[in-house]
Amino acid sequence: EAGVVQSPRYKIIEKKQPVAFWCNPISGHNTLYWYLQNLGQGPELLIRYENEEAVDDSQLPKDRFSAERLKGVDSTLKIQPAELGDSAVYLCASSLGRTNSPLHFGNGTRLTVT
Amino acid sequence: AQTVTQSQPEMSVQEAETVTLSCTYDTSESDYYLFWYKQPPSRQMILVIRQEAYKQQNATENRFSVNFQKAAKSFSLKISDSQLGDAAMYFCAYSPLFSGNTPLVFGKGTRLSVIA
Repeated sequence: EAGVVQSPRYKIIEKKQPVAFWCNPISGHNTLYWYLQNLGQGPELLIRYENEEAVDDSQLPKDRFSAERLKGVDSTLKIQPAELGDSAVYLCASSLGRTNSPLHFGNGTRLTVT
Repeated sequence: AQTVTQSQPEMSVQEAETVTLSCTYDTSESDYYLFWYKQPPSRQMILVIRQEAYKQQNATENRFSVNFQKAAKSFSLKISDSQLGDAAMYFCAYSPLFSGNTPLVFGKGTRLSVIA
C-alpha cells in the first residue's frame, strides 16, 4: 500500500511570494489533515477534511492560507503571501475516518521563507 | 482544552540499554486514546504504540511498552534493548474517543539519541 505522498519535499521562497503544497492521501482514506510543525515543536492542526468538506479549519490563518480538496482525494495547501514566520514543516496525514483509525503521515514539506 | 506535556527535551541511551520517555496530559474526558509517535530525520511521523484509556492493561509492541497511569494522567514510553535506529524525535499525543476524528494534540517532543 502506498503511503501518504507529499510534494515538494523542500521549498525555498522569498517573503511575499505565493507557495503551494500538494498531498495525495492513502487510497480509501476519506479524512485528510494538514498540520504545521515549527522547529522544536509538535505538529499543530491547520485543517481537517471529511471527503471534500473542511470540517475543522479553526486554526487556519484565513487571511493568507487556503486549502482545497475538490474531489475528496488529493489536497492543496496554499500560502499567499508568505511571511518569514511561515518557515516550518507542513505535514499531511490521512485516516479511514472511523473513530479509532490511526493517522498516517507523509514526509512533509519543509518551507523556508527568506 | 487538552494539553500534552513532555518534560524531557532530550534523552540519550546506550545501545542495548533501556530508556523511558515521560509524558503527562490534561483532560476532563474519561475515555480517550494516547499515542507515541516517532519522527526520524525523514520527517515522517510513525505510530509506535497506542493505548485506549478504558483498558487497564498497558500496551506493548515488541521492544516498546507504556506505563499508563490514568489517575496521574501519565503515559511514559519504555524502549528496551535500544537500537541505533531508535534515534529520533518522539512525540506523545492525545485524542478524544468520541469526537468524530478530532485530531491529535501533540506534545513538544523528546529527542532521543542512541550511543553505540
